[in-house]
Amino acid sequence: EVQLVESGGGLVQPGGSLRLSCEASGFTFIIYWMSWVRQAPGKGLEWVANIKQDGSEKYYVDSVKGRFSISRDNAKNSLYLQMNSLRAEDTAVYYCASLSPGGWIFDYWGQGTLVTVSS
Amino acid sequence: SYELTQPPSVSVSPGQTASITCSGDNLGDKFVCWFQQRPGQSPVLVIYQDTKRPSGIPERFSGSNSGNTATLTISGTQAMDEADYYCQAWDSSTGVFGTGTKVTVL
Repeated sequence: EVQLVESGGGLVQPGGSLRLSCEASGFTFIIYWMSWVRQAPGKGLEWVANIKQDGSEKYYVDSVKGRFSISRDNAKNSLYLQMNSLRAEDTAVYYCASLSPGGWIFDYWGQGTLVTVSS
Repeated sequence: SYELTQPPSVSVSPGQTASITCSGDNLGDKFVCWFQQRPGQSPVLVIYQDTKRPSGIPERFSGSNSGNTATLTISGTQAMDEADYYCQAWDSSTGVFGTGTKVTVL
């Protein structure tokens, strides 16, 4: 059974930092591009970042460039999102998602972890 | 930046057909996916590459994409189909989600 389990969310002050983790199981992690997608309370889905299988390519939505960094550890089947200089508008549920090898298709999603940026 | 626009809401009677549109410049040149999200749950892929259904997704879900508009059609809508639906495409390695449509089964 495919599982993506996010952790690391919580309450952080504006300007602060947080590191999200996503542990994958039930599929061959190393052959998948991986992604983070977020959803602000009561709002729609927003793609945040992608990372290639070997970490050599990374893409970000404009609003997080220079503040967020996506990374992965294939030995640990884990995906990460380092979030710095957090803003109130970064408040959201952050989902980890896999992108199928046959094309960039979000085929599996985690349950999400809530990040709240507030003083 | 690239944008995908959906109607905020669609209402449908049980057993009838619901159609959800997704509009974007030359969207027909891109592959479109559709996701269903029930309250408090993670999104679920229901259509990929415009028209394909993942295993486990009922046949009543179908998709099309041409010109500037992609459409998700739910035939014989059931109460369990009540949810938010999002289209999604890629534009130069950037992910774009539609604005979302709430489907209400009356």
